[in-house]
Amino acid sequence: KQEVTQIPAALSVPEGENLVLNCSFTDSAIYNLQWFRQDPGKGLTSLLLIQSSQREQTSGRLNASLDKSSGRSTLYIAASQPGDSATYLCAVSGYSGNTPLVFGKGTRLSVIA
Amino acid sequence: DAGVIQSPRHEVTEMGQEVTLRCKPISGHDYLFWYRQTMMRGLELLIYFNNNVPIDDSGMPEDRFSAKMPNASFSTLKIQPSEPRDSAVYFCASSPLTSQETQYFGPGTRLLVL
Repeated sequence: KQEVTQIPAALSVPEGENLVLNCSFTDSAIYNLQWFRQDPGKGLTSLLLIQSSQREQTSGRLNASLDKSSGRSTLYIAASQPGDSATYLCAVSGYSGNTPLVFGKGTRLSVIA
Repeated sequence: DAGVIQSPRHEVTEMGQEVTLRCKPISGHDYLFWYRQTMMRGLELLIYFNNNVPIDDSGMPEDRFSAKMPNASFSTLKIQPSEPRDSAVYFCASSPLTSQETQYFGPGTRLLVL
């Protein structure tokens, strides 16, 4: 059974700092990996989706990497801002992109002005 | 498109009552997923549908939970009778046939069972 772990569970950084969030998964037979953002009391917003054949994806100040063989992904946030404060969730899908996602429990990020 | 629509957004009920959660997926999407989020267990799949047909309901906790998708634009998740441990946020998500895209999540229904 696939398990996804995110470390750390919570992180507090000063504004402007670069930071890395970590995600690991137990079964490397994934189709894709996604990073989501969840604001308090809100739904999930997809940030980056990495197909299993890809190594990384970038969007603005965000860069996500995937090492499928070792079961690891990182989300790099450059020059963090208070608006980046949210919970970041990592999720993997199985044999196809339309299979259910298996989520980690998230990293709660606070960026202090 | 308005995105995935869920109703109600908040529900407070008493133990033993029936609760019905509703979801309208994005038009044209072939897959619909119901997830539940709790502090202890995080986000977990309850059930998902493809073209209105349930594919995997192994995540449904017990017989008190049931889900239907009578047509491509509507799904319900019913809990009867509800219990305090059912308190959680219930998310509906949909995705198109192409597997290259993400799942699109609704805002969730926050359920509190007293």
